[in-house]
Amino acid sequence: NAGVTQTPKFRVLKTGQSMTLLCAQDMNHEYMYWYRQDPGMGLRLIHYSVGEGTTAKGEVPDGYNVSRLKKQNFLLGLESAAPSQTSVYFCASSLVQSSGYTFGSGTRLTVV
Amino acid sequence: DQQVKQNSPSLSVQEGRISILNCDYTNSMFDYFLWYKKYPAEGPTFLISISSIKDKNEDGRFTVFLNKSAKHLSLHIVPSQPGDSAVYFCAASARVGNEKLTFGTGTRLTIIP
Repeated sequence: NAGVTQTPKFRVLKTGQSMTLLCAQDMNHEYMYWYRQDPGMGLRLIHYSVGEGTTAKGEVPDGYNVSRLKKQNFLLGLESAAPSQTSVYFCASSLVQSSGYTFGSGTRLTVV
Repeated sequence: DQQVKQNSPSLSVQEGRISILNCDYTNSMFDYFLWYKKYPAEGPTFLISISSIKDKNEDGRFTVFLNKSAKHLSLHIVPSQPGDSAVYFCAASARVGNEKLTFGTGTRLTIIP
């Protein structure tokens, strides 16, 4: 039972480079989320999806794009990475929005 | 506007003693509250929750207390163990509207052997 799987686990990017973070869940959850965790800032929601083919902005969406072409996958893209995007990124999924989030183990991204 | 606040960034407690982590919220629509625990290099995992119809929920060494009039909840860990050292996040939601969880900024708990 994999739950929520994030790839890659670590990545170093140069400023201006692009990349995509992949999140996959095998629990048939409708809702999926991308968070970033920074010291003293807690978990901040970047984008989320309420179902296949849908996406919506969270608290800190600037500089990121997302896609949910398949129910089980939620991709987070950085088109032109900036040092301010150095962070730990967590994907989560849930059956309902109001409880029961399952998180992945995170992606540590460093932008130099 | 931080709707869920954890005012203590860190807390150190002696092994065997009680750990008390606090959380305050401002949104009166919140009716469901959760605590998540996070170890380094891992994602947060669910620990315990409480509905607004209750003022206490217990699960082994963990008890969550809710004071709706004060918009305050707390997590008690008794007795504290070294494995409890982690970051704890408080979260809240409005279940009636199926609203997303809103997370606090976290408290780093260190249990001193």
